[in-house]
Amino acid sequence: KAGVTQTPRYLIKTRGQQVTLSCSPISGHRSVSWYQQTPGQGLQFLFEYFSETQRNKGNFPGRFSGRQFSNSRSEMNVSTLELGDSALYLCASSLSKAVYEQYFGPGTRLTVT
Amino acid sequence: TQLLEQSPQFLSIQEGENLTVYCNSSSVFSSLQWYRQEPGEGPVLLVTVVTGGEVKKLKRLTFQFGDARKDSSLHITAAQPGDTGLYLCAGVSTSYDKVIFGPGTSLSVIP
Repeated sequence: KAGVTQTPRYLIKTRGQQVTLSCSPISGHRSVSWYQQTPGQGLQFLFEYFSETQRNKGNFPGRFSGRQFSNSRSEMNVSTLELGDSALYLCASSLSKAVYEQYFGPGTRLTVT
Repeated sequence: TQLLEQSPQFLSIQEGENLTVYCNSSSVFSSLQWYRQEPGEGPVLLVTVVTGGEVKKLKRLTFQFGDARKDSSLHITAAQPGDTGLYLCAGVSTSYDKVIFGPGTSLSVIP
């Protein structure tokens, strides 16, 4: 069974621009969560989607948004990029609505200049 | 707010040595997970412990969940260079709707 895939793997953007990241979960997994990982803050929860509905949201500004499609694929969008948004963005999928065991993708490395 | 602390933050040891990594919280979790992350990759789930006092073994790795389900430890016997990585603990909330990650322990095993 194929793992979680994320595209693109690397991205360089300029301050003020916006970016969209994509995540395809493991087949059959309906829950998708997004995390931001930085050396200083560690792994921070962004949001979780289940069956196209946002079930939970972390403490990030409204510039960060996401959605999930009927095939469980998910996208996250960051508008008006800031230098501090430079991070590894990780997507994780899990089988059930109860967020239990998560399977992570390789991440998208975003650099904002 | 549920928080998880891990200690030590960094650990550098020689191949063959034993080590223990700790994960602590003041909150109760329904279960606790351990992940290992290598540079440039996403975390990989190693184990989930569910019952207070539970001990699980994965080859040379031994995981224990505290009796009160607030803390956990990871013990590695005879560490090898392949064990190098960032070890993350993660607590699943009692409402099963949130996973809280600790800051991680960066382990380096020197040949």
